[in-house]
Amino acid sequence: EAGVTQSPTHLIKTRGQQATLRCSPISGHTSVYWYQQALGLGLQFLLWYDEGEERNRGNFPPRFSGRQFPNYSSELNVNALELEDSALYLCASIPGTGREKLFFGSGTQLSVL
Amino acid sequence: GESVGLHLPTLSVQEGDNSIINCAYSNSASDYFIWYKQESGKGPQFIIDIRSNMDKRQGQRVTVLLNKTVKHLSLQIAATQPGDSAVYFCAENTGGFKTIFGAGTRLFVKA
Repeated sequence: EAGVTQSPTHLIKTRGQQATLRCSPISGHTSVYWYQQALGLGLQFLLWYDEGEERNRGNFPPRFSGRQFPNYSSELNVNALELEDSALYLCASIPGTGREKLFFGSGTQLSVL
Repeated sequence: GESVGLHLPTLSVQEGDNSIINCAYSNSASDYFIWYKQESGKGPQFIIDIRSNMDKRQGQRVTVLLNKTVKHLSLQIAATQPGDSAVYFCAENTGGFKTIFGAGTRLFVKA
């Protein structure tokens, strides 16, 4: 069974540009989470999607947005990129919405120059 | 903001020794706790979890201890191996959708 897949693996952008990151959850999983992991830091909760709806978001500005498609894959968009957006962006999925362990992808390393 | 903290940012152990990674959590209402392992270039992977109605849970070479009185969580790794070298995160689930991660502890295993 395939795990959570993320693309691209690496992404280099310049300040002010937009970035689009993609995630495919494990088959059968309906909830997708996005986390930001800045260098040397822990994981900061960004967004949670379930059944195509944004259910909650963390303390991030509105230029961080996303969506979930009917096949449960998800996209994270970051507009007006800033240098401090450079981080590893991790996607995770779970089969439901309760207290369950997260299954993570390997992440997209976003570098903003 | 909300956080789950760690006592030691780095831990260096000799191969074959036991490792203990500690974690303090902040939300007394949290009832589900998870340890994840993150190797270089990979996403975090589940190691073991424990619910608040338990004090101890054992897996293969790993044990998680939960002390709700002092809001403390620990991960014990028996007979630590080079492959255990990674960053370890404790995480708490505050009821439903949100899992909060600590800053992580880097474990170095010396051969």
